[in-house]
Amino acid sequence: DAKTTQPNSMESNEEEPVHLPCNHSTISGTDYIHWYRQLPSQGPEYVIHGLTSNVNNRMASLAIAEDRKSSTLILHRATLRDAAVYYCILRDVWLYAGNNRKLIWGLGTSLAVNP
Amino acid sequence: GAGVSQTPSNKVTEKGKYVELRCDPISGHTALYWYRQSLGQGPEFLIYFQGTGAADDSGLPNDRFFAVRPEGSVSTLKIQRTERGDSAVYLCASSQEGDEPLHFGNGTRLTVT
Repeated sequence: DAKTTQPNSMESNEEEPVHLPCNHSTISGTDYIHWYRQLPSQGPEYVIHGLTSNVNNRMASLAIAEDRKSSTLILHRATLRDAAVYYCILRDVWLYAGNNRKLIWGLGTSLAVNP
Repeated sequence: GAGVSQTPSNKVTEKGKYVELRCDPISGHTALYWYRQSLGQGPEFLIYFQGTGAADDSGLPNDRFFAVRPEGSVSTLKIQRTERGDSAVYLCASSQEGDEPLHFGNGTRLTVT
């Protein structure tokens, strides 16, 4: 799986939007972009995923660049409960359909939310 | 509904001892994963089960580590002759066959003294 690059940390104020970037310049055509987040002392939690088109769900939005070499996770109104480490992960749909289920996790972005 | 349950939540053991960590996946999830997470790092893949069989155990660090899932539901990660370097949070996740997302438990924090 291709690798991703994320800033080590970011800071936001409560009630403001947050844009978390992820670079994946070596992404292949069959790589899905997945985002998970991990709150303190908890296991990771799925946030959103997409392939080419922008995606929205109740938690967040995912904006994918036209060349797919980068993406941005958007939290529309940050709350204190959004303080977590956010991981951007690529998953090859063809490898995953077999038995290659190893998600490769980087260090993620630690998001701090100020009241 | 019930999520992935891991027990114990904390385990302290002495170097050289044997430990077992248990994972109860979400009912009906056929895929089960074990990951290990050291402080400040992302999760590291250990093993993946599809049903009762280990489809990929390439992440197990050495032969001291072993995992089973005899009835295709509950899984146990077993560590023999524990070493201080085994100290980490051990995470279990489950998913439906061929589906995302992974649902993680809150992990077992293992401390080897």
